[in-house]
Amino acid sequence: GAVVSQHPSRVICKSGTSVKIECRSLDFQATTMFWYRQFPKQSLMLMATSNEGSKATYEQGVEKDKFLINHASLTLSTLTVTSAHPEDSSFYICSAPTGGGPNTEAFFGQGTRLTVV
Amino acid sequence: AQRVTQPEKLLSVFKGAPVELKCNYSYSGSPELFWYVQYSRQRLQLLLRHISRESIKGFTADLNKGETSFHLKKPFAQEEDSAMYYCALLLGTYKYIFGTGTRLKVLA
Repeated sequence: GAVVSQHPSRVICKSGTSVKIECRSLDFQATTMFWYRQFPKQSLMLMATSNEGSKATYEQGVEKDKFLINHASLTLSTLTVTSAHPEDSSFYICSAPTGGGPNTEAFFGQGTRLTVV
Repeated sequence: AQRVTQPEKLLSVFKGAPVELKCNYSYSGSPELFWYVQYSRQRLQLLLRHISRESIKGFTADLNKGETSFHLKKPFAQEEDSAMYYCALLLGTYKYIFGTGTRLKVLA
């Protein structure tokens, strides 16, 4: 299957700083990628849809100025958590889909554990 | 509103026992439903999609539009089936809504 790689897998940062997380599709092109947030023992919450060459689409309640998304190429999307606070500590996961419609399959990154201290 | 509900957070069964992981959905259109699985220390991966009506690792799931359900079943659970299972509803071309997930523990 296709491979999606996230980097870094873990990051610890100080409160007030910014952190960038990369999501790469290694062996396929993805015009669309998705960013999720997962709280402990809870489901994946879709944060935003990253669109190559255009602005990201954010879900209700997600601050676009806080979570900056850039999808500069067909294989790379980045999520930057700006002015991080301890409540931003979470597990962030990206995914890139292939196929479409009923044949869609989402390939997920391994996730990034962000800890803000 | 579109919604996926997995009522059980944890399901424990003994090895060899049947398994049923429940999933109900709310969607006004024609649903496209999937099951994703996350084994310990691994990333989420597709288990099966309703459109293919296939059996993967002994698991099957039938879409019941009357009951708006897409329960995942396996007749005889194995220890290696222990994982987190997510039911997902596809909106549009690529966008998923995931249920809250059910942790399956298969006891020896």
